[in-house]
Amino acid sequence: AQKVTQAQTEISVVEKEDVTLDCVYETRDTTYYLFWYKQPPSGELVFLIRRNSFDEQNEISGRYSWNFQKSTSSFNFTITASQVVDSAVYFCALSGKRSSNTGKLIFGQGTTLQVKP
Amino acid sequence: DVKVTQSSRYLVKRTGEKVFLECVQDMDHENMFWYRQDPGLGLRLIYFSYDVKMKEKGDIPEGYSVSREKKERFSLILESASTNQTSMYLCASSSPSAADYEQYFGPGTRLTVT
Repeated sequence: AQKVTQAQTEISVVEKEDVTLDCVYETRDTTYYLFWYKQPPSGELVFLIRRNSFDEQNEISGRYSWNFQKSTSSFNFTITASQVVDSAVYFCALSGKRSSNTGKLIFGQGTTLQVKP
Repeated sequence: DVKVTQSSRYLVKRTGEKVFLECVQDMDHENMFWYRQDPGLGLRLIYFSYDVKMKEKGDIPEGYSVSREKKERFSLILESASTNQTSMYLCASSSPSAADYEQYFGPGTRLTVT
């Protein structure tokens, strides 16, 4: 079965602190994609990044970075020098080849990040 | 620019009412999805559709039905609303031809059933 686990329900940090959001996944597929989405208070999910199972290279985009490790089935997300605008719910998601004909995603429970000024 | 719209941002209905939530996408996507979001439970798939008039149950279809008469529109129907259906409802779409299956989301409808 496919599963995504975000063990951290809520995280609270002070502005400028670094914070890492954990994501652990389970799948038997050899080809799969991993995603991170951000949901600000407005409600709409905003796409942040996708990674395919063959690309373990870490990625950095401004203050955001992602660490994909197949050996531990993890796809962690780090925000460097957090800002109040980073406050949101963050979702990790998995899409596997078995569901590829329909494009279904399996979502984690979400991590609520609060960045205090 | 990719766009998914939902008919209402906020909706208040009474128990027993029939409720329609509408979703429209302008990207010519074949796949459309309805999710329910509750605190601590993440996004749970209610129904999805991979073509006009085609639908499949997701993880929590009980108490819901869907309709897809046109490619761009996917409706979620609560036949007889109950208080336990108070939730945030999110619609999404994707293209099966896209290699990564990224889903594009609407702004959500926060439904309260009293």
